[in-house]
Amino acid sequence: DVKVTQSSRYLVKRTGEKVFLECVQDMDHENMFWYRQDPGLGLRLIYFSYDVKMKEKGDIPEGYSVSREKKERFSLILESASTNQTSMYLCASSLLVREEETQYFGPGTRLLVL
Amino acid sequence: AQKVTQAQTEISVVEKEDVTLDCVYETRDTTYYLFWYKQPPSGELVFLIRRNSFDEQNEISGRYSWNFQKSTSSFNFTITASQVVDSAVYFCALSETLYSGAGSYQLTFGKGTKLSVIP
Repeated sequence: DVKVTQSSRYLVKRTGEKVFLECVQDMDHENMFWYRQDPGLGLRLIYFSYDVKMKEKGDIPEGYSVSREKKERFSLILESASTNQTSMYLCASSLLVREEETQYFGPGTRLLVL
Repeated sequence: AQKVTQAQTEISVVEKEDVTLDCVYETRDTTYYLFWYKQPPSGELVFLIRRNSFDEQNEISGRYSWNFQKSTSSFNFTITASQVVDSAVYFCALSETLYSGAGSYQLTFGKGTKLSVIP
């Protein structure tokens, strides 16, 4: 069974803090993704990774960085959190690097930056 | 650039009614893939269906059915005899190959349709 987990369901941080969001998948998937979801804007891709230590920018990478040191783990980092990064963050993974591959999502992390 | 439009922002229906969620897409690719996801109040996106551009057969899975019309670039989703548990946000998505070689791709999502099923 497909399983993507995220380290926190809810997170409250202060402006300027460094924030780490962790995502783990146990399916030996090659691809991993980070999205943010905002009302009226749908899901927007922040970064993705198709292999260990590889990363590619998505549509809205500004203010974020990522790390993939192990195949199963993909971290999203907010170097200096700002209030406009308050959002729902969703991690996803897919088996292979092919456009027909289904992405499987984690439960999401609701981040509030004060 | 690809685009996915879900024109219905919110829909409310009474339980047992049928409801259709619309999805219209734009792409220059000749081969592409379309997806539907369900996001219940808990927040996790749940995969419902994947359809490739060469397969225009309609698909039925229990109370769910999907109508893919390549001529009108639409991939609509119908729930028959809706139930309260169907209340969720539904997203349509289109898969796009970013570049050749590495073969990376990404999903372009519509903005979602919030379905409320009233008992």
